[in-house]
Amino acid sequence: DVKVTQSSRYLVKRTGEKVFLECVQDMDHENMFWYRQDPGLGLRLIYFSYDVKMKEKGDIPEGYSVSREKKERFSLILESASTNQTSMYLCASSYDRFTNEKLFFGSGTQLSVL
Amino acid sequence: GNSVTQMEGPVTLSEEAFLTINCTYTATGYPSLFWYVQYPGEGLQLLLKATKADDKGSNKGFEATYRKETTSFHLEKGSVQVSDSAVYFCALNSGNTPLVFGKGTRLSVIA
Repeated sequence: DVKVTQSSRYLVKRTGEKVFLECVQDMDHENMFWYRQDPGLGLRLIYFSYDVKMKEKGDIPEGYSVSREKKERFSLILESASTNQTSMYLCASSYDRFTNEKLFFGSGTQLSVL
Repeated sequence: GNSVTQMEGPVTLSEEAFLTINCTYTATGYPSLFWYVQYPGEGLQLLLKATKADDKGSNKGFEATYRKETTSFHLEKGSVQVSDSAVYFCALNSGNTPLVFGKGTRLSVIA
């Protein structure tokens, strides 16, 4: 089975801190995605990547950046955390750009910014 | 742009009741349509999909039919169980773009 692993299940940070959320997949998938999930808003795409060192902005990239130095790892960075970034963050991967329909999700990181 | 609208929850049903969760979409081209499910404490997982008009996706007793004329992909199950309690997301994919998700519908099934 494909496994998408997010480094932390719960994270508490202070306003202004730099925050790294890590995601690793073990099935050689080309595509990786970061979403945030908020009550009443569903899933919103932050950034995605179709290849190593590639990144594309999603619908809500402001306040975030990403890094993909290796195929299996996709990191989400909050340069200066703010309280409105308190959310559940979900990482996902899929095989490639042309069969990107089936996403495999991690269990999520619940981030609280105080 | 592409978008998905699904019925707001929460939906609360008794065990063995019939379930319908409505989903309609707006898309350019010929999208593929999906239902994903998120069980408590987990990430989302694909429940079923349909890739062209009139296709029916099915899995675990759930069904949804791709209706191009009404731009809909409603999720149904004839007899829900407590274990079906989860959040259900309708989604679409058009071309090589990332999936677009609806806001999710929380289902609670009580014994």
